[in-house]
Amino acid sequence: GAGVSQTPSNKVTEKGKYVELRCDPISGHTALYWYRQSLGQGPEFLIYFQGTGAADDSGLPNDRFFAVRPEGSVSTLKIQRTERGDSAVYLCASRPGLAGSGELFFGEGSRLTVL
Amino acid sequence: AQSVTQLGSHVSVSEGALVLLRCNYSSSVPPYLFWYVQYPNQGLQLLLKYTSAATLVKGINGFEAEFKKSETSFHLTKPSAHMSDAAEYFCAVSGQRGNQLTFGKGTKLSVIP
Repeated sequence: GAGVSQTPSNKVTEKGKYVELRCDPISGHTALYWYRQSLGQGPEFLIYFQGTGAADDSGLPNDRFFAVRPEGSVSTLKIQRTERGDSAVYLCASRPGLAGSGELFFGEGSRLTVL
Repeated sequence: AQSVTQLGSHVSVSEGALVLLRCNYSSSVPPYLFWYVQYPNQGLQLLLKYTSAATLVKGINGFEAEFKKSETSFHLTKPSAHMSDAAEYFCAVSGQRGNQLTFGKGTKLSVIP
């Protein structure tokens, strides 16, 4: 597709379980971002990839959160030992590279509910 | 360091009335500024962006915003609200190329018939 694709769109899990969220960016976009949006809040930055490497992971809340982008395209956000406070919409965004004004192209998000 | 403050978490206007959504920013470097809109159950969509070319920026759906450096503001306006404008609006700042966007908490716009 032409846009950023995120799967699953909805995920319900139980506290303590492991979750993976997938993001397929726009073709050719080298920069990929993960954000988390809690109810009533704006998106909060989690991690940013330039190519395969994490250029900035300062937003990851703790070591239960991890993200990979092994081939520089699709990325997976991994959450271990989920907690109820992890419930949020996880947004993925991409952009062509470091050039330009910094506009991000967002997917529709993955809504995670931890029971 | 950069931050965004959006005044008013919820704004209601009558259909046909002026829309004004406020955004103030803080940035240690010359900023790039953005307004995004989020319709229910949809992703964030770019409305407009300021990239230092012109202080008055026109976007989609009749929205525009003016960058005022002296006031560190980037307020979003539309002369006449339409029912389809009902959504949540987010202001964001980016201080450096390659750096992430920092978003405000958002303003939910309701349009009253």
